[in-house]
Amino acid sequence: GENVEQHPSTLSVQEGDSAVIKCTYSDSASNYFPWYKQELGKRPQLIIDIRSNVGEKKDQRIAVTLNKTAKHFSLHITETQPEDSAVYFCAASSPGGGADGLTFGKGTHLIIQP
Amino acid sequence: SQTIHQWPATLVQPVGSPLSLECTVEGTSNPNLYWYRQAAGRGLQLLFYSVGIGQISSEVPQNLSASRPQDRQFILSSKKLLLSDSGFYLCAWSYYRTSGRANEQFFGPGTRLTVL
Repeated sequence: GENVEQHPSTLSVQEGDSAVIKCTYSDSASNYFPWYKQELGKRPQLIIDIRSNVGEKKDQRIAVTLNKTAKHFSLHITETQPEDSAVYFCAASSPGGGADGLTFGKGTHLIIQP
Repeated sequence: SQTIHQWPATLVQPVGSPLSLECTVEGTSNPNLYWYRQAAGRGLQLLFYSVGIGQISSEVPQNLSASRPQDRQFILSSKKLLLSDSGFYLCAWSYYRTSGRANEQFFGPGTRLTVL
């Protein structure tokens, strides 16, 4: 099955600086890579996703890059703000059986220092 | 618009007791449905998924089972809870996958289960 590794487990950055979170996956058949943000005690919320036919995607201060050859993808947050503090999860979806259960990384606790 | 509900929101159960968590989706038909468990701190693990009524696939062997008695209802059960079953249980749905394209998953508010 799929295996997703996520680094770092904790990331502390100054407000206004950029944050980068990296993930690798093992199944070359995986073709969908979402990123979720989870605030304490709440459900994960999708913030951006990318499919295997695209190398980069941006949405305002958030961008995701995908390197299919190396099987890794990254989340970039620019001009970080206090409300960006949360746990971020990457995930990968392997096709099969008509459903797409996600395999998640273990999460990155992003701390924005004022 | 689509909404997903889970109940109860929190649950404290003794070891060896049964469990039933319910998830329902509104505003869509024939969704894919998923159960995830999140251990204390972080990390989501896929437990079960379903592509239709009565169709359940299990990702990991465990003390739990799932059922889908109706198109938009997904139930997670156990006959006898273990201490290790404690966690945050999240239900999710997605549109049925077409043309080989995976779809965004939407999570419910979750059930926090404590087994004592």
